[in-house]
Amino acid sequence: EVQLVESGGGLVQPGGSLRLSCAASGFTFSSYEMNWVRQAPGKGLEWVSYIGSSGTTIFYADSVQGRFTISRDNARNSLYLQMNSLRAEDTAVYYCARDYSSSSGRVFDCWGQGTLVTVSS
Amino acid sequence: EIVLTQSPDFQSVTPKEKVTITCRASQSIGSNLHWYQQKPDQSPKLLIKYASQSFSGVPSRFSGSGSGTDFTLTINSLEAEDAATYYCHQSSRLPHTFGQGTKVEIK
Repeated sequence: EVQLVESGGGLVQPGGSLRLSCAASGFTFSSYEMNWVRQAPGKGLEWVSYIGSSGTTIFYADSVQGRFTISRDNARNSLYLQMNSLRAEDTAVYYCARDYSSSSGRVFDCWGQGTLVTVSS
Repeated sequence: EIVLTQSPDFQSVTPKEKVTITCRASQSIGSNLHWYQQKPDQSPKLLIKYASQSFSGVPSRFSGSGSGTDFTLTINSLEAEDAATYYCHQSSRLPHTFGQGTKVEIK
């Protein structure tokens, strides 16, 4: 069974840092591109970041560029999001999502259960 | 950035009724439009990929159509378990964007 399990969320003060992890199982992690998507309380979905299967291609949303760093460890089947200089508006549930790409395009076909990040003093 | 606008924002529907949700893109995205279902306190789940392809395990009452800028998600014969918020998502170009969501309530 394909499974993604996020961890590392919690309460952090504005300006602080946090590192999220996403543990993958049930598929060949190193063959898939991955994303982070977040959802503020009671709000919609916002794409945060993308990383290619080897980790060399990376993209960020403008809202987190320069503050967040996505990375992966294919040997550990894990995806990470290092979040620095956190702001109140970063408060959200953070999901990791598998990126399935084909000749038709790409789609997020599997999502984790999410981890809540709260930025507050 | 490609903006996706869903309508309606909210729909209250009787079981067995048909539900239609639309998603309009601010520019052409071909068939790179996907639909997700999100129930309270759960993560989004893929229903329809590439505008009209059903994802594995999704009930046949869910279907999608459209291309270019206008897309539709249809739920035929709504069931109580379909109460959820539905989102469209475009993967045509970065940044990925999502519609604002359509909440479907069961009367």
